Amino acid sequence: NAGVMQNPRHLVRRRGQEARLRCSPMKGHSHVYWYRQLPEEGLKFMVYLQKENIIDESGMPKERFSAEFPKEGPSILRIQQVVRGDSAAYFCASSETSGSSYEQYFGPGTRLTVT
Amino acid sequence: GNSVTQMEGPVTLSEEAFLTINCTYTATGYPSLFWYVQYPGEGLQLLLKATKADDKGSNKGFEATYRKETTSFHLEKGSVQVSDSAVYFCVQGGDKLIFGTGTRLQVFP
Repeated sequence: NAGVMQNPRHLVRRRGQEARLRCSPMKGHSHVYWYRQLPEEGLKFMVYLQKENIIDESGMPKERFSAEFPKEGPSILRIQQVVRGDSAAYFCASSETSGSSYEQYFGPGTRLTVT
Repeated sequence: GNSVTQMEGPVTLSEEAFLTINCTYTATGYPSLFWYVQYPGEGLQLLLKATKADDKGSNKGFEATYRKETTSFHLEKGSVQVSDSAVYFCVQGGDKLIFGTGTRLQVFP
């Protein structure tokens, strides 16, 4: 059973470009979460999605950031007009169901560098 | 609001030494608690979990007990190995996981 897959693993963008990060959850998992890790910090929640629905986006910046999880295909985190402060590791996680006691399984992350 | 506080790192130990990484939490209700580990250049892996008060999670020689009275979930290992060198995160469960800042452990032979 393949784990959570993310691509690309490393992404370099110039200021003002768009970044698209992809996440394929574990087989059988319909809940997807995105987290951001700034250097030397813990992970911070960004958004929680189920198929075709955004459940909680309270951690997403109001501008330039968007996320989707279509009926078919991977979840996408999109950052428009990137700035240097967007440089971070972005982790996707998935779970079989929601709730406090259920483990989230993490992908290897996408390390975004904005030059 | 809910939060997790864990001890600052780095923690530097010799092989076979005893390890404690302190973690305390604030929460409404009684969420599950987790320890995740992040090896260099990799994603996070679940190390252990506890879902209710007085539960003890254990894995690979690591242990942590969910203490409601002290709102703590300290991570311990009796004898660390070089291969345990990593960053350890104390995490509060829920749809939005709440992470501590992480503690870097360095074990030297």
